[in-house]
Amino acid sequence: DTEVTQTPKHLVMGMTNKKSLKCEQHMGHRAMYWYKQKAKKPPELMFVYSYEKLSINESVPSRFSPECPNSSLLNLHLHALQPEDSALYLCASSLIGLPYNEQFFGPGTRLTVL
Amino acid sequence: AQTVTQSQPEMSVQEAETVTLSCTYDTSESNYYLFWYKQPPSRQMILVIRQEAYKQQNATENRFSVNFQKAAKSFSLKISDSQLGDTAMYFCAFRYGGSQGNLIFGKGTKLSVKP
Repeated sequence: DTEVTQTPKHLVMGMTNKKSLKCEQHMGHRAMYWYKQKAKKPPELMFVYSYEKLSINESVPSRFSPECPNSSLLNLHLHALQPEDSALYLCASSLIGLPYNEQFFGPGTRLTVL
Repeated sequence: AQTVTQSQPEMSVQEAETVTLSCTYDTSESNYYLFWYKQPPSRQMILVIRQEAYKQQNATENRFSVNFQKAAKSFSLKISDSQLGDTAMYFCAFRYGGSQGNLIFGKGTKLSVKP
């Protein structure tokens, strides 16, 4: 299984809603990532988890709250988002230890904030 | 700070032809890795090819090859025998050799393969 899955595929939410994005992989990868991608732009790194611990937070606003409950699962909890947070949210995973390691990306969740 | 520059926002090529996508980067480090990722329309981003900076030999993967010029800090991607399925956004990316290095992406080149 060389797949990263993400649910939901699409999400529309109001600025007062609370929702969560889910990412799952069963490749034994111990590094997992959240990226934000605006249209026609490259992915921007948000968070990195290494061995289920948050290792990098790229100064992301607190309305985004990541969680890594186990080595296969990564969540992104959303609360009080702004319309400018509308984007494609990508999850990725990789082996740890070598920077040569390929990151495997999920298909993304397309988020629209009204 | 490291930067990755892709100077061609869009390119097109005829099916079966060869196309080269440009990428330059700026770093003072000697130990790093370079990648080309492909993002087809509404599909997952996948790794196309990668290159370790300490290797002089250019990487190749079937129809995909790179021209890595370390002194010039250039890392171009050549796609031979272009196929319709090669239509995608292509991102050049850089990563440090250290354990905490993360991918730094260029802005991307949108490639269209025409029949």
